Amino acid sequence: AQSVTQLGSHVSVSEGALVLLRCNYSSSVPPYLFWYVQYPNQGLQLLLKYTTGATLVKGINGFEAEFKKSETSFHLTKPSAHMSDAAEYFCAVSETGGGSNYKLTFGKGTLLTVNP
Amino acid sequence: NAGVTQTPKFQVLKTGQSMTLQCAQDMNHEYMSWYRQDPGMGLRLIHYSVGAGITDQGEVPNGYNVSRSTTEDFPLRLLSAAPSQTSVYFCASSSTAREYFGPGTRLTVT
Repeated sequence: AQSVTQLGSHVSVSEGALVLLRCNYSSSVPPYLFWYVQYPNQGLQLLLKYTTGATLVKGINGFEAEFKKSETSFHLTKPSAHMSDAAEYFCAVSETGGGSNYKLTFGKGTLLTVNP
Repeated sequence: NAGVTQTPKFQVLKTGQSMTLQCAQDMNHEYMSWYRQDPGMGLRLIHYSVGAGITDQGEVPNGYNVSRSTTEDFPLRLLSAAPSQTSVYFCASSSTAREYFGPGTRLTVT
């Protein structure tokens, strides 16, 4: 079974400050890892994903995440927050292989607030 | 190419009523799924399908039925709606590269 823990249901940063959203996972097989963003009253948009290969993954809007197997973590970062980054962010994991490749298990989400 | 479409966008039901949430994709994806989103709970998988004629249960399947008669369509049926099914429902379809989410259906059961 797989699970995702997002530390901090609400993170508040100042505009221009570092954004760090934490995600830890558990999986019995090598995982695929994802970060999604959801703006108010909208669907989910894929920010970035890790499947195999390079452990530092760059996504859209200046976000990146690093897969650390030893720490079972996949934290999301952005060097400088922008007001438009205010949204809810979800970390997700899926087991690799077979028909369950994209049967995602989501974390509970982290609401990012950016203060002027 | 419309991607993943869902109808309706909003729906209000009375307890005990039935309805079908529609989901369609035009990307010829084999894999489709339904999630529900509740505050503080993230998204939870209801049912999924790995191809036409094949469906399986996810994490929270009770109270919901699905079928997959075509590659394009994956409707979600509520046979007897309950207030606990008040939620936002997202349909998704997957290629080998990623998952695509629909815009969601906001359902209220009174």
